[in-house]
Amino acid sequence: AQKITQTQPGMFVQEKEAVTLDCTYDTSDQSYGLFWYKQPSSGEMIFLIYQGSYDEQNATEGRYSLNFQKARKSANLVISASQLGDSAMYFCAMREYYGNNRLAFGKGNQVVVIP
Amino acid sequence: DSGVTQTPKHLITATGQRVTLRCSPRSGDLSVYWYQQSLDQGLQFLIQYYNGEERAKGNILERFSAQQFPDLHSELNLSSLELGDSALYFCASSPQGGDTEAFFGQGTRLTVV
Repeated sequence: AQKITQTQPGMFVQEKEAVTLDCTYDTSDQSYGLFWYKQPSSGEMIFLIYQGSYDEQNATEGRYSLNFQKARKSANLVISASQLGDSAMYFCAMREYYGNNRLAFGKGNQVVVIP
Repeated sequence: DSGVTQTPKHLITATGQRVTLRCSPRSGDLSVYWYQQSLDQGLQFLIQYYNGEERAKGNILERFSAQQFPDLHSELNLSSLELGDSALYFCASSPQGGDTEAFFGQGTRLTVV
């Protein structure tokens, strides 16, 4: 069964605007972590932000924030004030701490920022 | 720079051959994970090592093997290569058991011809 779902088609975003990338997850564990990664065309995987299942506040890292809605099993990434360098694939991932501790990834969202 | 180093960055080899991919984790990180990224399968977990011992196994083929050495660097060995093994192979590392962070190397792009 797919644990991470990212279903949005490729997105075009105007520079300086905010963009929200959707991610829903499936787990029966109480203890888990949610991650977002950015993969530019050069290929590297860049860690952006982390949210623990017990964290009551939404995580923020600079222009990135994670809109965590536990009851809905949703962990959307918000990128504020988009920049041209934000053009990339974005992956949502989950780690279940009572499972085998691996990261399970979604299929990714393509974002293109236009000037 | 994530602090995770993977070599080589690119590798082109023929079917049937054997290759070794190398990963140096971030200083102090005990866990090393290997992932394969292909167009059809997406990002797939292969295997995890923690402080030299295999901790978890994912969708790793029998033709593939890995190990983590006393200095904590890891190697992924791919043998009897097939065209379908062409992919981007990532190594990631985490401190301790890997709670809040998993930093990836730049990947090794393997092309099997």
